[in-house]
Amino acid sequence: DGGITQSPKYLFRKEGQNVTLSCEQNLNHDAMYWYRQDPGQGLRLIYYSQIVNDFQKGDIAEGYSVSREKKESFPLTVTSAQKNPTAFYLCASSKTGIYGYTFGSGTRLTVV
Amino acid sequence: AQSVTQPDIHITVSEGASLELRCNYSYGATPYLFWYVQSPGQGLQLLLKYFSGDTLVQGIKGFEAEFKRSQSSFNLRKPSVHWSDAAEYFCAVRAVQTGANNLFFGTGTRLTVIP
Repeated sequence: DGGITQSPKYLFRKEGQNVTLSCEQNLNHDAMYWYRQDPGQGLRLIYYSQIVNDFQKGDIAEGYSVSREKKESFPLTVTSAQKNPTAFYLCASSKTGIYGYTFGSGTRLTVV
Repeated sequence: AQSVTQPDIHITVSEGASLELRCNYSYGATPYLFWYVQSPGQGLQLLLKYFSGDTLVQGIKGFEAEFKRSQSSFNLRKPSVHWSDAAEYFCAVRAVQTGANNLFFGTGTRLTVIP
């Protein structure tokens, strides 16, 4: 069955390290998204990509980077410039146009 | 700019009771509206969506929502809640940005179901 796979489910990062969160989809969706979820703040958009080799910043892009070299993959790198990276990260994808999103099961990142 | 308000942070209902979760949006044109549900530690699942037409939309798991333009609301309802409905619920509105399908999410309502 098609879906979105996020890995790892749990990730621990030391201060000053970069870490990369994986997001892979086999739904043949053109658009992919990264959201950050913090308690009481809902979901905030980090980056999104509508086509391969193109992506745009969302509302909270500082300290994050992405790439979209393949349609199926949209990895997110949390850099050392992100001052408060501990959060739950959700990846999603959608068809082009007005559609709901399909979400992955998330990655919980903790700074230790 | 688009925004979504879910005024209730936490709601507790008894199993078998009816449920209504509130959602208000701010948007100049006809909105595209969504309700999602999230179980602890999991991703979000789409419950239902409204694009146009009939203002009462049916979704999965027995949920429905009614779009009321005059009140800028899109409240989620269920006539009889089951213990498995305990989760967090998010309302979302589609962004306007040209060519993008970005969704803006509310801050969520946590539902607790008591026996």
